Amino acid sequence: QQPVQSPQAVILREGEDAVINCSSSKALYSVHWYRQKHGEAPVFLMILLKGGEQKGHDKISASFNEKKQQSSLYLTASQLSYSGTYFCGTESGDSWGKLQFGAGTQVVVTP
Amino acid sequence: NAGVTQTPKFRILKIGQSMTLQCAQDMNHNYMYWYRQDPGMGLKLIYYSVGAGITDKGEVPNGYNVSRSTTEDFPLRLELAAPSQTSVYFCASSYGQGYEKLFFGSGTQLSVL
Repeated sequence: QQPVQSPQAVILREGEDAVINCSSSKALYSVHWYRQKHGEAPVFLMILLKGGEQKGHDKISASFNEKKQQSSLYLTASQLSYSGTYFCGTESGDSWGKLQFGAGTQVVVTP
Repeated sequence: NAGVTQTPKFRILKIGQSMTLQCAQDMNHNYMYWYRQDPGMGLKLIYYSVGAGITDKGEVPNGYNVSRSTTEDFPLRLELAAPSQTSVYFCASSYGQGYEKLFFGSGTQLSVL
């Protein structure tokens, strides 16, 4: 069962914030976040492990709520370079080492 | 450092034709994966390999075959191409299994007409 991402798309002005959610019906071991620019390969952003660890990279951060089996990706003070499609990938007991990806959230940052 | 290299970048096939998508990595990763990505959708795992000589099916293996004779190479074979196999194919590799980030190739856009 693939994780469910929301929203499907979001349009931001530079400097605005956004939150992307990823939820699963399974007990998760980890959540991965990737960003894909149009016509390019997905690029790794971060991994969150079971235990509710929060991570960050520059002004992009994420959290993992183990009880809810949900992860959120926070885009703070968005920049034009943040545009792209964000995918979460999850690992659970029956998919260990084999990421299951959500359908993606398209982010468009405008000047 | 080339990372993960995929060839070709684009290909058009006729229904019933066969082809091999090539994937090579130079990071000495044991774990390699093939994903397909349909428009507006996430990535679906086709096959994966945990080392030379060892492969296993993912979520959507029908119509595909793989082999892993070396650590570096992980080709994907399409037999009797069908329109449903029109997609973008990504090869990826990782150092270990579990809790490991994936390194993706640049993708192969395949159209079956």
